[in-house]
Amino acid sequence: DAKTTQPNSMESNEEEPVHLPCNHSTISGTDYIHWYRQLPSQGPEYVIHGLTSNVNNRMASLAIAEDRKSSTLILHRATLRDAAVYYCILRDRGNTPLVFGKGTRLSVIA
Amino acid sequence: DAMVIQNPRYQVTQFGKPVTLSCSQTLNHNVMYWYQQKSSQAPKLLFHYYDKDFNNEADTPDNFQSRRPNTSFCFLDIRSPGLGDAAMYLCATSRDLYGLAGGIEEQFFGPGTRLTVL
Repeated sequence: DAKTTQPNSMESNEEEPVHLPCNHSTISGTDYIHWYRQLPSQGPEYVIHGLTSNVNNRMASLAIAEDRKSSTLILHRATLRDAAVYYCILRDRGNTPLVFGKGTRLSVIA
Repeated sequence: DAMVIQNPRYQVTQFGKPVTLSCSQTLNHNVMYWYQQKSSQAPKLLFHYYDKDFNNEADTPDNFQSRRPNTSFCFLDIRSPGLGDAAMYLCATSRDLYGLAGGIEEQFFGPGTRLTVL
């Protein structure tokens, strides 16, 4: 599986935008970029996914570089409830079982 | 609400004493997964069922087994738990695999069972 690289941790102030980066330089043409997050003491939950174009949903936006070797998850206004570990995951054809990397632990400061 | 349920949320067992963790789902999904998550680590896929077809990850120890008697239930059996098996065990489901149903198949996770081995 193609690998992803994320910073170990990031910090944000409440109600400010957060940009969570992910590098995936060995991404293949059939790999979809997925983001999941894991809130404390809970199972992971889906955030967003994309292939080539930028994507928006009610939780976040996903910006994908033109060469697809990196992407950025954007939380437009961080809240305390967004404090979690965020995982960037590549999935071949979008639907192979999720294989988690180390993720980025996001802390949100009031 | 449709959901993934794991019981119990906390399980304590003794070294070497077999233990079974259970997962049920009301989503009527074809695929069920088991992940192991040790403290401060990412979830690690152990195996998954696509309907009745069992798929074991290559590095999953033989000590870990699974059963899926019907669509709704899946069990994780640890035959002889060691201290190193203490972890959070996460069950997940997805409607399908490999885009067979078309579209992206999101995985839905239960809250996990935290296993302590004494």
